[in-house]
Amino acid sequence: ETGVTQTPRHLVMGMTNKKSLKCEQHLGHNAMYWYKQSAKKPLELMFVYNFKEQTENNSVPSRFSPECPNSSHLFLHLHTLQPEDSALYLCASSQGAANTQYFGPGTRLTVL
Amino acid sequence: KNEVEQSPQNLTAQEGEFITINCSYSVGISALHWLQQHPGGGIVSLFMLSSGKKKHGRLIATINIQEKHSSLHITASHPRDSAVYICAVMGTGGGADGLTFGKGTHLIIQP
Repeated sequence: ETGVTQTPRHLVMGMTNKKSLKCEQHLGHNAMYWYKQSAKKPLELMFVYNFKEQTENNSVPSRFSPECPNSSHLFLHLHTLQPEDSALYLCASSQGAANTQYFGPGTRLTVL
Repeated sequence: KNEVEQSPQNLTAQEGEFITINCSYSVGISALHWLQQHPGGGIVSLFMLSSGKKKHGRLIATINIQEKHSSLHITASHPRDSAVYICAVMGTGGGADGLTFGKGTHLIIQP
C-alpha cells in the first residue's frame, strides 16, 4: 500500500539527539495514528488525530511529541529517548476513526 | 481495557493445508480487524468485520459477537501466505480510542 508513506525508514540516534519521524497520507483521510511495535510485544497505540485534533495519547512519555499540521501530515518529534524506545514506529490513516486503517511501512528506530 | 488473545502463537504447515487462526477478546467491540504483517514490518489490512462472515479470495474471516471470538481461515495455503497475522479490536467509543492488538500468529507455509 503506497497511500501512506513514512520517512525515514531507518533511524539510529543517541539519547541526547532530537529527531522527527514524518508520515504523509495521500488517501484523503481525516484520521491519523502513531503506533509503536516493540520486539515480542503487541502493537500499541500512541496517538490519534481525528480532524487534526488529538483525541488519545494513551499515557505516552513526554519525550514523544506529536504534531499534525494538516490532515495529510503527521510528525512524531523525539528527544532524549531511552534505549527501550527502540522499536518499529508505524503510522496509519483512516476515513473516520471507525473505519479501516491503512498503514505505512514504518520507521525502524534504534536508540543507542 | 480489552484483552485480545490469539492462538496459536506459531504455526507451521505444508502448502495446500487449510489454516485456522483464532482470536478472542474480553470486552464488547464495535469492529474487529485482521491484519497481515510481512517481514520488514509492512502491515496490510485484510478484513474489518462487526458480524457474520467475509471472504476475499482464499481468505475467510468470521466473527461471533456473543462468544467474543473470531477466526481467520486460509484455504489452499501457499508459501507466500507466510507472515504474521494480527487480530485487532476497536472499542465502542466510535474509534477515537484506536485499536487494541493481539500479539499475532506467526505463520510459515512450507513448500
